[in-house]
Amino acid sequence: SQQGEEDPQALSIQEGENATMNCSYKTSINNLQWYRQNSGRGLVHLILIRSNEREKHSGRLRVTLDTSKKSSSLLITASRAADTASYFCATDARGANSKLTFGKGITLSVRP
Amino acid sequence: NAGVTQTPKFRVLKTGQSMTLLCAQDMNHEYMYWYRQDPGMGLRLIHYSVGEGTTAKGEVPDGYNVSRLKKQNFLLGLESAAPSQTSVYFCASMGGGAGTSNTEAFFGQGTRLTVV
Repeated sequence: SQQGEEDPQALSIQEGENATMNCSYKTSINNLQWYRQNSGRGLVHLILIRSNEREKHSGRLRVTLDTSKKSSSLLITASRAADTASYFCATDARGANSKLTFGKGITLSVRP
Repeated sequence: NAGVTQTPKFRVLKTGQSMTLLCAQDMNHEYMYWYRQDPGMGLRLIHYSVGEGTTAKGEVPDGYNVSRLKKQNFLLGLESAAPSQTSVYFCASMGGGAGTSNTEAFFGQGTRLTVV
């Protein structure tokens, strides 16, 4: 079964609003990553957070990690129509030789 | 610096035919992965490799074989294609290895495979 599960499955917001997406996983991890996929394209890396980190920022992105709850959240601030895409969390499980597994993804629609 | 290159980009197969998808990376990454993406299922790991000459099964390995004879290449084979293997296939590579931290994964642009 897939390691990560994102929620909500779909999110629709107005341009300028913040978007919060969540990811839960099942086993202890080395790292958690968030990726973005535009329709019909490959995935693009957004941000990586290591298991010993709690929060990380990159531009308009803020990711948090709670290893006690086995969960992460991705916040996109001041969203733009160009942020419309699917977002995935990915984990490489500790002791699993860098087996990188993904969740089912969240579809984000940002209305202009 | 090309990153991760997948060939072919599109392919239509008849049931029972075989084919090989090629993934090449020029970043000297240790780890390489093959995923399939189906509507509503996200990315599911087929097989992966943690270094030249190694392969391991992922979540959905049945019906596929892989080889990593050279560090830069990771091949995915379908011996006898079935309609259930109609999907978009993505290859990825990631840096890391003994004594180093894993890095981000880089993805190819995908191969759209249809089995009729």
